Amino acid sequence: GAVVSQHPSRVICKSGTSVKIECRSLDFQATTMFWYRQFPKQSLMLMATSNEGSKATYEQGVEKDKFLINHASLTLSTLTVTSAHPEDSSFYICSAKQGAHGYTFGSGTRLTVV
Amino acid sequence: GDSVTQMEGPVTLSEEAFLTINCTYTATGYPSLFWYVQYPGEGLQLLLKATKADDKGSNKGFEATYRKETTSFHLEKGSVQVSDSAVYFCALILDNDMRFGAGTRLTVKP
Repeated sequence: GAVVSQHPSRVICKSGTSVKIECRSLDFQATTMFWYRQFPKQSLMLMATSNEGSKATYEQGVEKDKFLINHASLTLSTLTVTSAHPEDSSFYICSAKQGAHGYTFGSGTRLTVV
Repeated sequence: GDSVTQMEGPVTLSEEAFLTINCTYTATGYPSLFWYVQYPGEGLQLLLKATKADDKGSNKGFEATYRKETTSFHLEKGSVQVSDSAVYFCALILDNDMRFGAGTRLTVKP
């Protein structure tokens, strides 16, 4: 079946540094990938839709300069949290679209900013 | 806008009890509907889906039927197990836009 690999699974970084999270579709090509953020005890919040070869579409309220998304190939999308602060600590999950209704999720990245 | 309303948890059941987690949606068109499950420490996994009205999705003993007339997609299982303890998310996809419910935490006790 379709597999999406997300890396790293956990990362701890210092306040003010940047962190890159990778999302790879391993056995299929994904023209569209999604980035979600999950707050404790809350549902996933869609941050942005990433389309291969074009600029990401950000949801309202999501800072595009802080959460940089690059979808440079059909199998890789990256999310870079720039100048991270403790309030950016969260669980980030990507998903890749396969076909008309197939969505496969990565295993998530737990980011802790200290 | 499109949205999903999901039964609030947490839900605690004894093993072999019957499970229902309610999910209703609001959408301007005809979305595809999904149930995802998140086990402790893991990412989301697709549990089942239905792409049109009256479709029934099923997997691992779980079922949900796409009811257009009531805009619902309730999740059911006849006999839950301890291993079913997880958070369950109802979701819809319409026009490449995905929306999730708030999630329902299920705890099954032996």
